[in-house]
Amino acid sequence: QKEVEQDPGPLSVPEGAIVSLNCTYSNSAFQYFMWYRQYSRKGPELLMYTYSSGNKEDGRFTAQVDKSSKYISLFIRDSQPSDSATYLCAMSARTDSWGKLQFGAGTQVVVTP
Amino acid sequence: NAGVTQTPKFQVLKTGQSMTLQCAQDMNHNSMYWYRQDPGMGLRLIYYSASEGTTDKGEVPNGYNVSRLNKREFSLRLESAAPSQTSVYFCASSLTGTGEQAFFGQGTRLTVV
Repeated sequence: QKEVEQDPGPLSVPEGAIVSLNCTYSNSAFQYFMWYRQYSRKGPELLMYTYSSGNKEDGRFTAQVDKSSKYISLFIRDSQPSDSATYLCAMSARTDSWGKLQFGAGTQVVVTP
Repeated sequence: NAGVTQTPKFQVLKTGQSMTLQCAQDMNHNSMYWYRQDPGMGLRLIYYSASEGTTDKGEVPNGYNVSRLNKREFSLRLESAAPSQTSVYFCASSLTGTGEQAFFGQGTRLTVV
């Protein structure tokens, strides 16, 4: 079983709808949680970063972390065609030596005009 | 503000040839990473360098070597390329060794024939 599980989609939504993405994980030591956006044939771009539990909002984007359920979410409000991309969750834990960044497989999102 | 720069962007190799992928970051980050991305497999860590002067194997190191030339540069070498190494390679860097808020380059698309 993978440490980080993410539904690959594709997830198709009409323009203006709310996009809801999520990841589950098994390692309770994870404490740094990130969402990356990756456009086709481009590198992943850091979108949101959250430390430990709680919510974080940045414009149309909201990231939520529920450590008790080992579940993280990303919401995109008022979705635009330019939001069409693959969204990857990532997480890591601080250890004595080094914390490896673990990625989900990515969810492909398509926003239709 | 270049961030993480990778060269080359595209490369075609014949089986058995060697090549070096170059990566440089200008964010004064301590840690650097090499990932490969394959369809259905997500991002997999090849090698990482937690700090200048140190390197360590990641999840899929076989067939690769790395050099942390200085704080800015981290290169990945394929000594004898194989078709299984056809992939998109990403270099990333982060301020700390836990990988949080890692920034990625634009990728090198490598085909081994």
